[in-house]
Amino acid sequence: DAGITQSPRHKVTETGTPVTLRCHQTENHRYMYWYRQDPGHGLRLIHYSYGVKDTDKGEVSDGYSVSRSKTEDFLLTLESATSSQTSVYFCAISVHRTGSSYEQYFGPGTRLTVT
Amino acid sequence: AQTVTQSQPEMSVQEAETVTLSCTYDTSESDYYLFWYKQPPSRQMILVIRQEAYKQQNATENRFSVNFQKAAKSFSLKISDSQLGDAAMYFCAYRSSGSRLTFGEGTQLTVNP
Repeated sequence: DAGITQSPRHKVTETGTPVTLRCHQTENHRYMYWYRQDPGHGLRLIHYSYGVKDTDKGEVSDGYSVSRSKTEDFLLTLESATSSQTSVYFCAISVHRTGSSYEQYFGPGTRLTVT
Repeated sequence: AQTVTQSQPEMSVQEAETVTLSCTYDTSESDYYLFWYKQPPSRQMILVIRQEAYKQQNATENRFSVNFQKAAKSFSLKISDSQLGDAAMYFCAYRSSGSRLTFGEGTQLTVNP
């Protein structure tokens, strides 16, 4: 258990509405990530953060924005949800291990359905 | 860009037997890390095993071991003495010197009693 929680765990929303997903960690790790998981695609990186107010885009960032105003929280916002954003969203943190190795640990996921 | 390929969408194994899941990757870098993650029906992503590219010795974690072939860019996962609790989706993942992971599409493993 890497001390990562996500909220909400499930959400159904309508096309065109804004949605914010929250990721919270308890261990002050610097790096945090948002992924989406879709059948046949594995997990794909949306955005990540390397510190407070420091964020960067991943491979599928269109339609998403993020914010990190404090170390423990990383928010993912869909400004105007579309049906193509129906997915399972995972938050992750990066934990330093021996040498220069980092390992990513994941939250429980949020299932988002856009109708 | 790095790519990770898992060519087996589904695999099955009898309980107590051994199964090997395949993963290949494409990279031009020499320093990187490879991972296997397990995702059971609960949806939780669980780190199973890690391999550093600079290490020649294959990583092992209890019943889980890898066959890392750097020249062939191959990273397979072997599960020995398979148990019903091993049934899950397994993802291979790659990370270079940065912190970002690239995942394969996953292999769904079924364990038959």
